[in-house]
Amino acid sequence: GESVGLHLPTLSVQEGDNSIINCAYSNSASDYFIWYKQESGKGPQFIIDIRSNMDKRQGQRVTVLLNKTVKHLSLQIAATQPGDSAVYFCAENVKDSSYKLIFGSGTRLLVRP
Amino acid sequence: ETGVTQTPRHLVMGMTNKKSLKCEQHLGHNAMYWYKQSAKKPLELMFVYSLEERVENNSVPSRFSPECPNSSHLFLHLHTLQPEDSALYLCASSQDTSRNEQFFGPGTRLTVL
Repeated sequence: GESVGLHLPTLSVQEGDNSIINCAYSNSASDYFIWYKQESGKGPQFIIDIRSNMDKRQGQRVTVLLNKTVKHLSLQIAATQPGDSAVYFCAENVKDSSYKLIFGSGTRLLVRP
Repeated sequence: ETGVTQTPRHLVMGMTNKKSLKCEQHLGHNAMYWYKQSAKKPLELMFVYSLEERVENNSVPSRFSPECPNSSHLFLHLHTLQPEDSALYLCASSQDTSRNEQFFGPGTRLTVL
């Protein structure tokens, strides 16, 4: 079945270091992927997206890498800051009766001062 | 926050109560969604509306009843819920139901006693 999973439930990094959050997806037909950030008490917030015709996309301090061969997605955060502490979700867009996002279980990022 | 608002933010109800959750989006989007977020589970899609028509019902029990009177408003009517229905209920909207970023509201934290 369709599933999106995360390798690490919790990631602890030192402030200023780079963070890498990984995600595996199972549907090879998925053609659009999103990373969301969810802070405590808030809804998920869009960070960055990537379409399957790309293998890398950069935003401000964030980079998403897509490896379709092994169905792997990663989010890289440069110079991690305390405000980056949150739960990060990857999501893949799948086509069923309509398009829908399938979310991974999330990785908690903790930034140590 | 993101142009999607939800009320109430917190709700405590008994199993025999009837209550409704409200979502409003100010983004001019045509698609709206209800998700359930429980501890230790990925975000679960419940319902999808496109142009006020329900296009997805993800095997949700009938004690949850959605209503979409127009493209800006979405309700979730709750009746005879169970304690395991306690969760964060998130509303989202997107331009349409194809490959689009979904914008989330802050959620309603529901506790069923």
